[in-house]
Amino acid sequence: EDKVVQSPLSLVVHEGDTVTLNCSYEVTNFRSLLWYKQEKKAPTFLFMLTSSGIEKKSGRLSSILDKKELFSILNITATQTGDSAVYLCAVEANNFNKFYFGSGTKLNVKP
Amino acid sequence: EAQVTQNPRYLITVTGKKLTVTCSQNMNHEYMSWYRQDPGLGLRQIYYSMNVEVTDKGDVPEGYKVSRKEKRNFPLILESPSPNQTSLYFCASSPTGFGYGYTFGSGTRLTVV
Repeated sequence: EDKVVQSPLSLVVHEGDTVTLNCSYEVTNFRSLLWYKQEKKAPTFLFMLTSSGIEKKSGRLSSILDKKELFSILNITATQTGDSAVYLCAVEANNFNKFYFGSGTKLNVKP
Repeated sequence: EAQVTQNPRYLITVTGKKLTVTCSQNMNHEYMSWYRQDPGLGLRQIYYSMNVEVTDKGDVPEGYKVSRKEKRNFPLILESPSPNQTSLYFCASSPTGFGYGYTFGSGTRLTVV
């Protein structure tokens, strides 16, 4: 059965801390892995990863994919209260453009 | 403004009363999809459409119908809603079906009593 598992389920940190969110997957016909940020509304796109070992970076956020070990991490450095959200990991399969989402990691950044 | 518009945002209905949640996008995207989001289960794909008149089942299609008569619209139909369909629903679109550029609507919170 295809699945995407995220950990931890929730995380509480203080401003300035660095956090690492994990996403492991078992999906046949892997095409890409995506990270989304969801605040109190629709998910917004962060990164798409298709190749192992190539870091994607946007400001304080970065992500990398390991296709051999079937996981990805999302790093957030110098966290701010505005980073508080649910972070979703999704894997897209080649077969008929199916997407599999993890249950998300809820990040709470305290002042 | 490029967007995916869902209506209604909130809906409370009774078991068995047919309802439709509308979804419209103004980006000329070919690919559209419906998801439901439940606590602890993440987003699960209900149906998707690669283009007009082309639809296919996702992971949890039971109890739902869709249609794609026009490129911009992709309504979700619940012929006979049941309480286990109480959920947060998202419509999403993409130009190619790939995750990059996947735009989500604002969501519809449905409660079936």
